[in-house]
Amino acid sequence: AQSVAQPEDQVNVAEGNPLTVKCTYSVSGNPYLFWYVQYPNRGLQFLLKYITGDNLVKGSYGFEAEFNKSQTSFHLKKPSALVSDSALYFCAVRAYNTDKLIFGTGTRLQVFP
Amino acid sequence: DAGITQSPRHKVTETGTPVTLRCHQTENHRYMYWYRQDPGHGLRLIHYSYGVKDTDKGEVSDGYSVSRSKTEDFLLTLESATSSQTSVYFCAISERLVVDTGELFFGEGSRLTVL
Repeated sequence: AQSVAQPEDQVNVAEGNPLTVKCTYSVSGNPYLFWYVQYPNRGLQFLLKYITGDNLVKGSYGFEAEFNKSQTSFHLKKPSALVSDSALYFCAVRAYNTDKLIFGTGTRLQVFP
Repeated sequence: DAGITQSPRHKVTETGTPVTLRCHQTENHRYMYWYRQDPGHGLRLIHYSYGVKDTDKGEVSDGYSVSRSKTEDFLLTLESATSSQTSVYFCAISERLVVDTGELFFGEGSRLTVL
């Protein structure tokens, strides 16, 4: 079965510290991977994507993600967290041979001053 | 921000009543989607559209129908609402298919409560 897992419901980090939000996937074929962010009472916003090429993908607001094929992971990272990064983060993968996205259950990131 | 408007933004209704949610876009994007967001489930695809009068079912389509008579409007209808359909509903649009690396742009959501 094709799926994406976000093993942490919540991640807490102090402002200025590096952050990681984890995502692992299970999909046939080459994965198309995405990260979206949702601020309170808003829709999801696209952050970044991996389709092919360099395993380190850079996206909006200073976020980056590292694709690791052997570990089937696509973790979201940022070198220095901001309080304004506090939000709900979703990992998504394209279901094989379709045009549909499978979303994870989301990870709430809380950055403390 | 992408020009996507969802209406109504909030609705409370009773079990058994029909409900229609509207998604209106001003981007002229071909592809439109309806998702529901529930705690512990993330986002799940209800229905999607590849163009006018071209719609198909997603993973949780039971109890829902859609229509797209114009490029800019995508309607989601609950023929007879049930409490299990209490959720936040998101419309999304895309200029290209996901397989062509198209990104989704989301509306701000419609919160539906079925009593």
